[in-house]
Amino acid sequence: EPEVTQTPSHQVTQMGQEVILRCVPISNHLYFYWYRQILGQKVEFLVSFYNNEISEKSEIFDDQFSVERPDGSNFTLKIRSTKLEDSAMYFCASRIGPWGTSNEQFFGPGTRLTVL
Amino acid sequence: QKEVEQDPGPLSVPEGAIVSLNCTYSNSAFQYFMWYRQYSRKGPELLMYTYSSGNKEDGRFTAQVDKSSKYISLFIRDSQPSDSATYLCAMKSAQGAQKLVFGQGTRLTINP
Repeated sequence: EPEVTQTPSHQVTQMGQEVILRCVPISNHLYFYWYRQILGQKVEFLVSFYNNEISEKSEIFDDQFSVERPDGSNFTLKIRSTKLEDSAMYFCASRIGPWGTSNEQFFGPGTRLTVL
Repeated sequence: QKEVEQDPGPLSVPEGAIVSLNCTYSNSAFQYFMWYRQYSRKGPELLMYTYSSGNKEDGRFTAQVDKSSKYISLFIRDSQPSDSATYLCAMKSAQGAQKLVFGQGTRLTINP
């Protein structure tokens, strides 16, 4: 069964360092998302991406964050200068089509980011 | 008032019991309602999806949406130890918006 994969499973970094979290969405999916979940808190939307551009972003997704689909298979989330409060589980998700035609959003297993 | 509220539990019930999980919401624009199951150290997995109001049944799972009360429920019949997980409600408004808004999740344990 196709699945969303994410690497690494755990990333430890120093405050102020740049990190790139990688995702491989399901191959025929067109809509891509990043969510995060701080320990003990809700899953929160960060950004959605379609047709090589951001379609929606949350207040959390500030100038320190960026997304890219560099090669048609990977979907990356970059945090330029990490802060302690960026420590969280980051989930990538993908969908095959727009809401109403396809209603399942598949989530990856997550990358645990620890900022020291 | 929080956009989506969900009792975090934990909830512990014996095997075979009927489980009721609930969420309330404040945003009347929500039209898509989902329940996700999340096992430890895994991503959310879609269990049930409902558009607008009504009931939907899938095996041992029933999802209900009451838009007049802004209240959604997930019922699990004949609960099994393998149902032990965190259950997340999630919602989305109609056309255009992409983001899902999640509840905090209810940690459920089914005791053999």
